[in-house]
Amino acid sequence: DAGITQSPRHKVTETGTPVTLRCHQTENHRYMYWYRQDPGHGLRLIHYSYGVKDTDKGEVSDGYSVSRSKTEDFLLTLESATSSQTSVYFCAISESNLAEQFFGPGTRLTVL
Amino acid sequence: KQEVTQIPAALSVPEGENLVLNCSFTDSAIYNLQWFRQDPGKGLTSLLLIQSSQREQTSGRLNASLDKSSGRSTLYIAASQPGDSATYLCAGNRDDKIIFGKGTRLHILP
Repeated sequence: DAGITQSPRHKVTETGTPVTLRCHQTENHRYMYWYRQDPGHGLRLIHYSYGVKDTDKGEVSDGYSVSRSKTEDFLLTLESATSSQTSVYFCAISESNLAEQFFGPGTRLTVL
Repeated sequence: KQEVTQIPAALSVPEGENLVLNCSFTDSAIYNLQWFRQDPGKGLTSLLLIQSSQREQTSGRLNASLDKSSGRSTLYIAASQPGDSATYLCAGNRDDKIIFGKGTRLHILP
């Protein structure tokens, strides 16, 4: 299995609080992705990174920001969490934009 | 805008049967298409990746095909087993943007 970890694995927070999710990889892959998975919507891309300090928006980026200061870490931040951001968040990595994607175990976030 | 559709949403099949899962996409200019399986409460496991220049890929009992002209991909599972029960997702990749279908929930009946 690809070396991808996500932390925390579960989090409950209140509306209006900031939240940061971390994705860590040991594969030295260039591309990293953040997705959210919701019933009825499936998996949707939030943001992705194609290198250190290089990021771009995905399909549902509003309310989220990302940072990548090191190859191995990709952070997803909810500046002020809302109940609509309750979801399961997955991180993925790939060697290139044409390569196979490998997924982390996910983080279940509940915003009350 | 790329759309990826998987029909049916759920499928039950007796053990031992061969089966086909379908994936259709609206943008034929995709770079590649990837198939995943997801077990309940778990992350996604990559099964097969087909580049746009390829027509099929095989791994064990799994065979995935890609027909860009018709906007379709199929995942063929031979001799199904109860352990194949899971949700299967396909995803089309274009311009660094990956669009997922909503998946087919497969149940193999013992």
